[in-house]
Amino acid sequence: DIQMTQSPSSLSASVGDRVTITCRASQSISSYLNWYQQKPGKAPKLLISAASSLQSGVPSRFSGSGSGTDFTLTITGLQPEDFAAYYCQQTYSTPRTFGQGTKVEIK
Amino acid sequence: EVQLVESGGGLVQPGGSLRLSCAASGFTFRSYWMHWVRQAPGKGLVWVSRINSDGSSTNYAASVKGRFTISRDNAKNTLYLQMNSLRAEDTAVYYCARDTVTLNDAFDIWGQGTMVTVSS
Repeated sequence: DIQMTQSPSSLSASVGDRVTITCRASQSISSYLNWYQQKPGKAPKLLISAASSLQSGVPSRFSGSGSGTDFTLTITGLQPEDFAAYYCQQTYSTPRTFGQGTKVEIK
Repeated sequence: EVQLVESGGGLVQPGGSLRLSCAASGFTFRSYWMHWVRQAPGKGLVWVSRINSDGSSTNYAASVKGRFTISRDNAKNTLYLQMNSLRAEDTAVYYCARDTVTLNDAFDIWGQGTMVTVSS
């Protein structure tokens, strides 16, 4: 199974900050890496697929990069509605493993 | 509107069974692979199971293999998860999700989730 390791597990940031979350795969997954946002009590929402493709309707302040084993989700200009948990996921092979999540909290 | 709606969750005793359903609408259900993902209280997302578009191929997480069975009825636009021999560690919100091949198999549509509690 491919292990996905996210860092940090949590972070505190202020509105307007630039936030970076990293995700590392235990083996190469090409660009089969997706990012999800989850707010409390809600289902996850797909933000970015294929490492860097922004989903329709997702604000352009979200961006993704990387390939192989190392990936990054960046939020440029954090907004109040961005405080949530973020998960990476690989869809290179089954099982479709998720990272452990990163909780973005208000400083 | 593209939508997935889960049902069937509830309280069950250890060793018991439960069947979850996921009703799809607003898209051609029979064309998509589907998944179940769970989330224990306060924990992260865990992939559970996958089924291909015609139901002929399935995969399971090691933690549920042999106890859970994923299936689908394309005529009824419904996905199922039969859960047997339930354990306390199966307590979680269960989500169904759509797999879209054009998005590198990302899960682009999710249901609202249904809570399963395994307790005596």
